[in-house]
Amino acid sequence: QKEVEQNSGPLSVPEGAIASLNCTYSDRGSQSFFWYRQYSGKSPELIMSIYSNGDKEDGRFTAQLNKASQYVSLLIRDSQPSDSATYLCAVKGAGSYQLTFGKGTKLSVIP
Amino acid sequence: DADVTQTPRNRITKTGKRIMLECSQTKGHDRMYWYRQDPGLGLRLIYYSFDVKDINKGEISDGYSVSRQAQAKFSLSLESAIPNQTALYFCATSDATSGGDYEQYFGPGTRLTVT
Repeated sequence: QKEVEQNSGPLSVPEGAIASLNCTYSDRGSQSFFWYRQYSGKSPELIMSIYSNGDKEDGRFTAQLNKASQYVSLLIRDSQPSDSATYLCAVKGAGSYQLTFGKGTKLSVIP
Repeated sequence: DADVTQTPRNRITKTGKRIMLECSQTKGHDRMYWYRQDPGLGLRLIYYSFDVKDINKGEISDGYSVSRQAQAKFSLSLESAIPNQTALYFCATSDATSGGDYEQYFGPGTRLTVT
């Protein structure tokens, strides 16, 4: 059973701070990794995809991947109250045609 | 205009009824998916289709069936609804032709309640 683990939170950070969201996965051969943001009652929205070890930056968001440690993270710089949402990590395993989603981390940015 | 639409957005139905949820997309994507989301259980894949002639079961397909009527349309049916199928259902699409095989884009969801 391929697993994707996230701390459910809530993670509370003050406005302007860096929010760090973490995700671990069990399938060592996993190849593709995604971060989604989901506001309450809304659908998941793709924020970032990352395929290679290292960092990938897009605006205030940075995804970090370490395949040796089976770890992927999302950093949100200059956090805003509008970033308050649940963040889902998704992983495509080796030989799989499906994404496995974590249960999400709820982020709360305090003004 | 929304790229991925789902109808209905909300539905209440009774145990034993047949119900169909519909998904349409204007993104031109070849791949389509149906998920359900339950509190505490996260998103789980029900069925996926990589093209009109390709239908595959996901993690939790029992009690569900699908039809890919066209590249842009993918329907999910509950043949005989039961209360534990009460959930939020999402359709998603992705585009293998552009290299974003697994970058999935979600519709707005259908909230289904089975009483």
